[in-house]
Amino acid sequence: DAKTTQPTSMDCAEGRAANLPCNHSTISGNEYVYWYRQIHSQGPQYIIHGLKNNETNEMASLIITEDRKSSTLILPHATLRDTAVYYCIPAHQGAQKLVFGQGTRLTINP
Amino acid sequence: GAGVSQSPSNKVTEKGKDVELRCDPISGHTALYWYRQRLGQGLEFLIYFQGNSAPDKSGLPSDRFSAERTGESVSTLTIQRTQQEDSAVYLCASSPIGSGAETQYFGPGTRLLVL
Repeated sequence: DAKTTQPTSMDCAEGRAANLPCNHSTISGNEYVYWYRQIHSQGPQYIIHGLKNNETNEMASLIITEDRKSSTLILPHATLRDTAVYYCIPAHQGAQKLVFGQGTRLTINP
Repeated sequence: GAGVSQSPSNKVTEKGKDVELRCDPISGHTALYWYRQRLGQGLEFLIYFQGNSAPDKSGLPSDRFSAERTGESVSTLTIQRTQQEDSAVYLCASSPIGSGAETQYFGPGTRLLVL
């Protein structure tokens, strides 16, 4: 499994865009990049995933570099409810086991 | 519809006792997973069930840990002779057949404290 590096913590002001980076330099060609988040005292929640093209859904946008060695999750207008730990997880699309690292603890400040 | 449910929400036990944790997956989901999350840490994969296939037990940390699943429904994770290091949140997730990592739906977890 590819190893990931994420900042331990980040802060963002409410209403601003939160940009969460992830390095995954050892990702293999057929591994997707998945993002999950875990709000305090809850189970993880799927956000978005992508292979090499940028992706957008109702929750977030995912920007993947051309060499696929890093990606950025963007929450365009962060709210207080976006305060959570965000996990970047390389995995094959059919993967059943997810390997969660330490993630980034994102705090949205009023 | 109903999500993944787990019981109990919290469990306090004494060292050496056995505990059983229950997971009710989303109806129709054939895959079921157990993870463990120690305080301040990421999730550790424990075990994976998929239909009638043999479970993937590669993440179970010791032979004190075991899990069963009845058909495609309820699963029970059993920890025998609990140790203080077993204190953690135990999370269960389920997903539909043939789907990928994006469709793992997690329950709220069981918080286990071993005194």
